[in-house]
Amino acid sequence: GENVEQHPSTLSVQEGDSAVIKCTYSDSASNYFPWYKQELGKRPQLIIDIRSNVGEKKDQRIAVTLNKTAKHFSLHITETQPEDSAVYFCAASMTAGNKLTFGGGTRVLVKP
Amino acid sequence: NAGVTQTPKFQVLKTGQSMTLQCAQDMNHNSMYWYRQDPGMGLRLIYYSASEGTTDKGEVPNGYNVSRLNKREFSLRLESAAPSQTSVYFCASNPSRSGDTGELFFGEGSRLTVL
Repeated sequence: GENVEQHPSTLSVQEGDSAVIKCTYSDSASNYFPWYKQELGKRPQLIIDIRSNVGEKKDQRIAVTLNKTAKHFSLHITETQPEDSAVYFCAASMTAGNKLTFGGGTRVLVKP
Repeated sequence: NAGVTQTPKFQVLKTGQSMTLQCAQDMNHNSMYWYRQDPGMGLRLIYYSASEGTTDKGEVPNGYNVSRLNKREFSLRLESAAPSQTSVYFCASNPSRSGDTGELFFGEGSRLTVL
């Protein structure tokens, strides 16, 4: 089955700096790669996703990149703010709507 | 619109006791999932149901059973709880229809402690 690895496990950045989280996946048949954000004590919520026919996608201060050949994808957060502090999870599945395999999560702390 | 509702939110069990976690969604979604979340382990899939009447094992199914009672409800049962099942359990659903976004909608989670 699919295996998703995520790095780093914790990330501390100064407010205004950028944060980058990287994930690798094992199953070359995977084509859908979402990112979820989980604030402390809350449920995970989708923040952005990318499909294999696209190399990069942006939404305001967040962007995702995908390298299908190398089987890795990344989340970039620019101009970080205190409200970006949370745990972020990457995930992969064969198609949107199929069961997702999640990475281990990255705890991001934005210091004011 | 309640979304995905899980009960109970908190539960403490003794080793060997049984219990059922209930999940219901009111979004007419086809697929439903049970994940467990442990520190540093991310979200691991226990069981899922791609449609009413079907269930399949995920990554960590041992010690659990599920029932897709109807399109709305998907329950998770622990027949004989063990301390290793101490975790936060999340139910989730998605439409799984052609053209949908693929977004998983999560419940608020159920924190289970097995002593």
